[in-house]
Amino acid sequence: GAVVSQHPSWVICKSGTSVKIECRSLDFQATTMFWYRQFPKQSLMLMATSNEGSKATYEQGVEKDKFLINHASLTLSTLTVTSAHPEDSSFYICSAREASGITYEQYFGPGTRLTVT
Amino acid sequence: GQSLEQPSEVTAVEGAIVQINCTYQTSGFYGLSWYQQHDGGAPTFLSYNALDGLEETGRFSSFLSRSDSYGYLLLQELQMKDSASYFCAVIDAGKSTFGDGTTLTVKP
Repeated sequence: GAVVSQHPSWVICKSGTSVKIECRSLDFQATTMFWYRQFPKQSLMLMATSNEGSKATYEQGVEKDKFLINHASLTLSTLTVTSAHPEDSSFYICSAREASGITYEQYFGPGTRLTVT
Repeated sequence: GQSLEQPSEVTAVEGAIVQINCTYQTSGFYGLSWYQQHDGGAPTFLSYNALDGLEETGRFSSFLSRSDSYGYLLLQELQMKDSASYFCAVIDAGKSTFGDGTTLTVKP
């Protein structure tokens, strides 16, 4: 159990275009989902926390108008990178916390590798 | 803010035991988690400590000392497949802050 999927697994887009990444909890309800960005050989940097039905909470330094997050249901959150630039190229990973979970265990999706040309 | 320190690299041989330390300075603290990440993959949960002491899960154990703001991950009977990055993460206010990761290389 506790499987999180992401789609697409990789995407190449041109500078100035927008890209949407989906994160789904397949076999559990996730009241909270997290979006991370990871550059090669670096740590996971939390971008934002999204709770179902409410606005996402962004970390300091993350542009909310550039990285649009929507958490419309208990199993789906989306991250849209708007007007992407080459510096946005990174590995984007979502994670989800189970609604009924009694620990703070997070289940991570497989990640989406974004390359902006 | 949150600050975590862990060694950047550790090397060990197959069958050995290795300990990866993590010290943290945080404004709040609920617990300490450990994650494993293979190259190109997503992090996978290994263990979680909210209270002082040792938690054992198979070949992996994790320890926490809240008074020392310190924890470690202990890997026993190392296997080649254990070569990966290992992250400690402090949990506070419902979210996790990750350390920079320790790259473990297991040699034959």
